[in-house]
Amino acid sequence: AQKVTQAQTEISVVEKEDVTLDCVYETRDTTYYLFWYKQPPSGELVFLIRRNSFDEQNEISGRYSWNFQKSTSSFNFTITASQVVDSAVYFCALTDRTGANNLFFGTGTRLTVIP
Amino acid sequence: GAVVSQHPSWVICKSGTSVKIECRSLDFQATTMFWYRQFPKQSLMLMATSNEGSKATYEQGVEKDKFLINHASLTLSTLTVTSAHPEDSSFYICSARGHEFYEQYFGPGTRLTVT
Repeated sequence: AQKVTQAQTEISVVEKEDVTLDCVYETRDTTYYLFWYKQPPSGELVFLIRRNSFDEQNEISGRYSWNFQKSTSSFNFTITASQVVDSAVYFCALTDRTGANNLFFGTGTRLTVIP
Repeated sequence: GAVVSQHPSWVICKSGTSVKIECRSLDFQATTMFWYRQFPKQSLMLMATSNEGSKATYEQGVEKDKFLINHASLTLSTLTVTSAHPEDSSFYICSARGHEFYEQYFGPGTRLTVT
């Protein structure tokens, strides 16, 4: 069975602080895909990143970075120098080896960036 | 690219009536569309998966006679909530995937309130 755990329900940080959102996953597949999505107050899900299980290189995109550790089944997301516009709910998700089927979402982490 | 629209963005209906929600892929052909449901402050739960021209596959616990899904073309899927009740009030989100990429692109969601 596939499962995604985001233990942090809500996080508040002051603007310009760094923040890391944790994601731990469970799967029996040897090939799988991990995602992060952002859901701002408007409700629309915004795709942030997709990573397959064979690519453990960390990735950086502007102020965003992702740390994939297969040994601990974690795919953590760090925002550097947070901004008020980063306030949103962030979901980590997992799908099977094809990467194309239904996504299993974590429960989400609500990030509030205080100006 | 990869834009998905939903209509309406919000709807209020009376208990016992039916409501149709449209999901359209605007700039690609969606071979697969997914319908999710999200209760307030909760995660997204997959309701069903539909492939163009075939019957939808419903997740366990989702009533197929209550949530009618039609995927008649490569750019349009509809979800009809039949005989809606207050407990059907929720945020319904569709996503679409084309055959040439693995990511699911999400629509902006439809907020349904049944009074």
